Amino acid sequence: EVQLVESGGGLVKPGGSLRLSCAASGFTFSYYSINWVRQAPGKGLEWVSSISSSSTYIYYADSVKGRFTISRDNAKNSLYLQMNSLRAEDTAVYYCAREELGYCDSTSCYGNYYFDYWGQGTLVTVSS
Amino acid sequence: EIVMTQSPATLSVSPGERATLSCRASQSLSSNLAWYQQKPGQAPRLLIYGASTRATGIPARFSGSGSGTEFTLTISSLQSEDFAVYYCQQYNNWPPFFGQGTKLEIK
Repeated sequence: EVQLVESGGGLVKPGGSLRLSCAASGFTFSYYSINWVRQAPGKGLEWVSSISSSSTYIYYADSVKGRFTISRDNAKNSLYLQMNSLRAEDTAVYYCAREELGYCDSTSCYGNYYFDYWGQGTLVTVSS
Repeated sequence: EIVMTQSPATLSVSPGERATLSCRASQSLSSNLAWYQQKPGQAPRLLIYGASTRATGIPARFSGSGSGTEFTLTISSLQSEDFAVYYCQQYNNWPPFFGQGTKLEIK
């Protein structure tokens, strides 16, 4: 069974930092691109960041570029999001979401840019 | 940036009836559109990708149609568990963008 389990959320003051983790199981983690998607309270879904299977390709939403850093450890089946200079508008539930596998070539695997499995989310609250 | 517009914002339908949800894109997506269902307190669940292909385990009462800029999600006979918020997501262009959602509520 595919599972994604986020952790690391909590209450942090504006300007502070937090590191989120996502533990994956039930599939070959190293084949898949993984994303962070967030949802502010009572609001819709916002894509935050993406990392390809071998960390070759990394992308960020403009709203977090320069403040957030995505990374992964394929040996530990884990995804991370380092969040610095946090703002009130970063308050949200943060989901890790797996991209459906598109294809693999001799060097890497590539996703299809939509999300077939999601974790249950971890709440980040930025407030003084 | 592609803008995704879902309508209506809220749809009230009785159980057993058909629900039709719309998603419009500001530029052509070909068929690169997905639909998700989200229930309160839960993560989103993939329903449809490629505009019309049901994801694994999704009941046949869910169907997607459309291409280009106009897309529709149809639920043929609403069950109690179908009342939720539905989001469309484009993946034709980077970055992926979601619509603002349609809340499907019991009439």
